[in-house]
Amino acid sequence: AQKITQTQPGMFVQEKEAVTLDCTYDTSDQSYGLFWYKQPSSGEMIFLIYQGSYDEQNATEGRYSLNFQKARKSANLVISASQLGDSAMYFCAMRDTYGNNRLAFGKGNQVVVIP
Amino acid sequence: KAGVTQTPRYLIKTRGQQVTLSCSPISGHRSVSWYQQTPGQGLQFLFEYFSETQRNKGNFPGRFSGRQFSNSRSEMNVSTLELGDSALYLCASRPTSSYEQYFGPGTRLTVT
Repeated sequence: AQKITQTQPGMFVQEKEAVTLDCTYDTSDQSYGLFWYKQPSSGEMIFLIYQGSYDEQNATEGRYSLNFQKARKSANLVISASQLGDSAMYFCAMRDTYGNNRLAFGKGNQVVVIP
Repeated sequence: KAGVTQTPRYLIKTRGQQVTLSCSPISGHRSVSWYQQTPGQGLQFLFEYFSETQRNKGNFPGRFSGRQFSNSRSEMNVSTLELGDSALYLCASRPTSSYEQYFGPGTRLTVT
């Protein structure tokens, strides 16, 4: 069974600073994918970034980057230059292997950006 | 391109009733997945449909069912509602060409 762990307590981040959200995962599969989603208080899950297990480069999407350390089974999200609109819950998720699109989610990290 | 849409956005039902939720995927997306989000259990996978066929099912009782139509729109049905079914139900669609899943705004179901 796959497992995603997000253990950081709620975080307060100063506007314009960078923040790193931790995510570790457990899988015995060789082929898998890792996602980060943002969920503001409105409830919608917003896709941020995706990293495939065979991707050699760390994924980046604008202010979001994924620090992928395969040997440590770690997929941390880095948000650079935080903005007030970044205040939300952030979820790490993993895709099952070989065409199975089921996502297993972590419990999430709460981030509050303060001016 | 329009995003994933879900209707209704909010729903209040009584224990024992049944409910049907609807999801329209992004145009061209043929895969639709459903998730349940509760404060206690977090986000849990319900099922996935692709080309009108259920490809995966999560660990939920048979009261939870779904289907997909030829235009890729999907519905999920919960029969004999229980208080514990109160949750945010999220639908996600995925293009064939990538693994990224895009979620709709969700349907917030309250069972009283």
